[in-house]
Amino acid sequence: DIQMTQSPSSLSASVGDRVTITCRASQSISSYLNWYQQKPGKAPNLLIYAASSLKRGVPSRFSGSGSGTDFTLTISSLQPEDFGTYYCQQSYRTTVTFGQGTRLEIK
Amino acid sequence: EVQLVESGGGLVQPGRSLRLSCAASGFTFDDYAMHWVRQAPGKGLEWVSGISWNSGTINYADSVKGRFTISRDNAKNSLSLQMNSLRAEDTALYYCAKEGVDSSGFYRSLDHWGQGTLVTVSS
Repeated sequence: DIQMTQSPSSLSASVGDRVTITCRASQSISSYLNWYQQKPGKAPNLLIYAASSLKRGVPSRFSGSGSGTDFTLTISSLQPEDFGTYYCQQSYRTTVTFGQGTRLEIK
Repeated sequence: EVQLVESGGGLVQPGRSLRLSCAASGFTFDDYAMHWVRQAPGKGLEWVSGISWNSGTINYADSVKGRFTISRDNAKNSLSLQMNSLRAEDTALYYCAKEGVDSSGFYRSLDHWGQGTLVTVSS
C-alpha cells in the first residue's frame, strides 16, 4: 500500500494568515492526489483533486501544488470558517489511502 | 442534487454480521464507481472498499479483506456492505462516497459523501 504522511498533525493560525499543509507519499503518485476538509460532526468535503484542480464552488484562497511524492495545500488568507481537519488522499492505486489528517485551529 | 443516505448501522456483538446500505439519488448511479470509507471515533479516515460501475473491479483494504463484501444494485441505485466476523476495531462511522472523475478521465476523487451510519461492535 502507498503510505501518505501529513505534516503538521495540528496547527493553530490567525485569521488572514497564510497556511500550508504538506503531504508526502511513500512512492511516486504523479498528480493523483486529492485534498478534503472535514468539520466536526460532518462528512468530508472535497476541496482539490488532481493535486491542483479546485473543485467548483471551493473558495479560491485554497490551492494545491506538487507532484511525485510531495504535495502542498495552501490557504492564502485564513478565514474563520476554515477550521477543521484536512486530509490528503492518493488515487494512484485503486486501493485508496488517506493521510492521517491535519487539525487546523483558528487562534 | 447528489444525495447519499446510509443505513443499517447499529450495535452488534463481536463475531456477528451487519449489512450496510447506501441509497443514491441525483446522479446516474451506474455511471460511477462507489466506495465505503470509515472513521473510528476521534480518528482519521480509513478507506474500506470500492466497486466499479459494473461491479467488474472490487477492492478492499487489508483490514477487512475476507470479512467484508461490497456490492451494488444499479437497478435500485443502491450500494451495500456486508460485514461478517465483526471486531471491536471495526467500530466506526461508515460513509458511502461517490467517485468522481475529472474531464481527462484519469483523476479520481471522492466528490460526494453521505452523512454516515454508525457501527458499534461490542459485547
